[in-house]
Amino acid sequence: GQNIDQPTEMTATEGAIVQINCTYQTSGFNGLFWYQQHAGEAPTFLSYNVLDGLEEKGRFSSFLSRSKGYSYLLLKELQMKDSASYLCAVRRAAGNKLTFGGGTRVLVKP
Amino acid sequence: DTAVSQTPKYLVTQMGNDKSIKCEQNLGHDTMYWYKQDSKKFLKIMFSYNNKELIINETVPNRFSPKSPDKAHLNLHINSLELGDSAVYFCASSQGPGSTEAFFGQGTRLTVV
Repeated sequence: GQNIDQPTEMTATEGAIVQINCTYQTSGFNGLFWYQQHAGEAPTFLSYNVLDGLEEKGRFSSFLSRSKGYSYLLLKELQMKDSASYLCAVRRAAGNKLTFGGGTRVLVKP
Repeated sequence: DTAVSQTPKYLVTQMGNDKSIKCEQNLGHDTMYWYKQDSKKFLKIMFSYNNKELIINETVPNRFSPKSPDKAHLNLHINSLELGDSAVYFCASSQGPGSTEAFFGQGTRLTVV
């Protein structure tokens, strides 16, 4: 089976940086994804990591360590619109099935 | 133009009823999915189709039956609805089963009373 853990909630100030950690246990790892979901809306794709290292995309970066079963999503220069849930998801090679964590609700305060 | 559209957006129905949710994608993708997001916000895969063929079928009660008439459509029919079926159901699509990005519809909030 798969086990994905991420904090339930985080609060940060506008303009600051927040790091959302995700740890996972899986067999046949085939990629780690981050999705953003605003309340009442559909999840939208943010990033994909399959090799160790940092992927940077504008204000958002995602890091992966396969040996540690660990990833983080870094949000820089926080804006109010970044208040949302951030979902970590792991894909297994068998069937390409994506399993999501419970999401981390980030609240950005002025 | 909405890439992945599902209808209805809201559905309130009584226990025991049968209902359908429809999904269509205009992205030319080969793979489509149904996910269920419960009250605790866990998003769980239910089914996946690739070119109209079922490729993922999670442990879901057989009251749930997906149907893919063509690769642009994936509908979900639910028989004998139960209170525990209340959730948000998301349809999604991707270019293929191994694609890095999936596009989600806006969700259907199903409430069973």
